[in-house]
Amino acid sequence: DQQVKQNSPSLSVQEGRISILNCDYTNSMFDYFLWYKKYPAEGPTFLISISSIKDKNEDGRFTVFLNKSAKHLSLHIVPSQPGDSAVYFCAASITGTYKYIFGTGTRLKVLA
Amino acid sequence: GAVVSQHPSRVICKSGTSVKIECRSLDFQATTMFWYRQFPKKSLMLMATSNEGSKATYEQGVEKDKFLINHASLTLSTLTVTSAHPEDSSFYICSATSDAGTQYFGPGTRLLVL
Repeated sequence: DQQVKQNSPSLSVQEGRISILNCDYTNSMFDYFLWYKKYPAEGPTFLISISSIKDKNEDGRFTVFLNKSAKHLSLHIVPSQPGDSAVYFCAASITGTYKYIFGTGTRLKVLA
Repeated sequence: GAVVSQHPSRVICKSGTSVKIECRSLDFQATTMFWYRQFPKKSLMLMATSNEGSKATYEQGVEKDKFLINHASLTLSTLTVTSAHPEDSSFYICSATSDAGTQYFGPGTRLLVL
């Protein structure tokens, strides 16, 4: 049972435009969400997180939106840059459990 | 940000041998470390959670006698794949956290069992 889903395995975006990566979850107990970026043969790099008490968190070009009623979160990258090309994983957690459940990832390709 | 290292980055071994992978938090004390496994084009699957000085907690379906985890200090955890078989070939990634928040990941170890 995949509790965290990223339904788009890949996404291509033109440089300078907005990239929107989506993530859905099924467990209403999740209250902490994160996005990681991963290059091939490397470990994931933390990008941004959001607690369920918020519906938006922004850090530079990265913004995460959380819609608790829809059990949906999204990562917006604007403007997109070629260096953003990577696989993006969303992860969900229940505070205090320390465990992350990862989605299957979306491969983003930013075209120059 | 916090730095986590893994060693080795890549290892090739013969079937039946054991392989040890080290995970170190370089600039913080990791009260909890995690071991993940990633198959090609798949998500990261949590294998086990280890707290310093105590036994690791394994996820369902993960053989604790095959994947031995030791977390002897606040900066080091080791994963030993015992009697490795070709199906154990995978990308193993550790992460560490000093609180209940963000996990910081190591660069991963590519294991190939021949």
